[in-house]
Amino acid sequence: EAGVAQSPRYKIIEKRQSVAFWCNPISGHATLYWYQQILGQGPKLLIQFQNNGVVDDSQLPKDRFSAERLKGVDSTLKIQPAKLEDSAVYLCASSLLQGAYEQFFGPGTRLTVL
Amino acid sequence: EDQVTQSPEALRLQEGESSSLNCSYTVSGLRGLFWYRQDPGKGPEFLFTLYSAGEEKEKERLKATLTKKESFLHITAPKPEDSATYLCAVYKGGSYIPTFGRGTSLIVHP
Repeated sequence: EAGVAQSPRYKIIEKRQSVAFWCNPISGHATLYWYQQILGQGPKLLIQFQNNGVVDDSQLPKDRFSAERLKGVDSTLKIQPAKLEDSAVYLCASSLLQGAYEQFFGPGTRLTVL
Repeated sequence: EDQVTQSPEALRLQEGESSSLNCSYTVSGLRGLFWYRQDPGKGPEFLFTLYSAGEEKEKERLKATLTKKESFLHITAPKPEDSATYLCAVYKGGSYIPTFGRGTSLIVHP
């Protein structure tokens, strides 16, 4: 079974530039998550999708971050404009069901904002 | 305020030296507590889910237990390949948002 795919693996940008991350979840997983993991901290949930609808985006900085999951499969997370404090690893995860269930994580995208 | 605190932040063990990692939580109505393992440069990998106090789960050298206030991850006779960061995450009642702890970085020396 193929795992969660993410690209790119690494990205370096200047502050105020924009960046986009892509995620393809495990086939058949209806729930998709985007997390931000700052060095030395645990993952922080940014947004959760159930199929192509948003379940929760209460921790997403909506003035600069956006995410979409067209057709209920793959997803894109965008940051525009980026700030220095956005430097982190962005993790995508998927699960078969919504709620307190096992999540499968991708390898993440390491973003450095200079 | 909901909190998940993991201790210690870092732990160094000799191969074969058993120990425990702690995850204490203050959430209302725990729906589930998860343990994940994260290797450098990789995403977290699921280990266990615990749903109610008194529950225990085992996998190879790892055993997870749960009380009403905390969970322990016991590592018996660890090997160098057990070196990783161990994360716990909790779901409180009525929420779909998991709260992760900062993790415990474990290094097992041969």
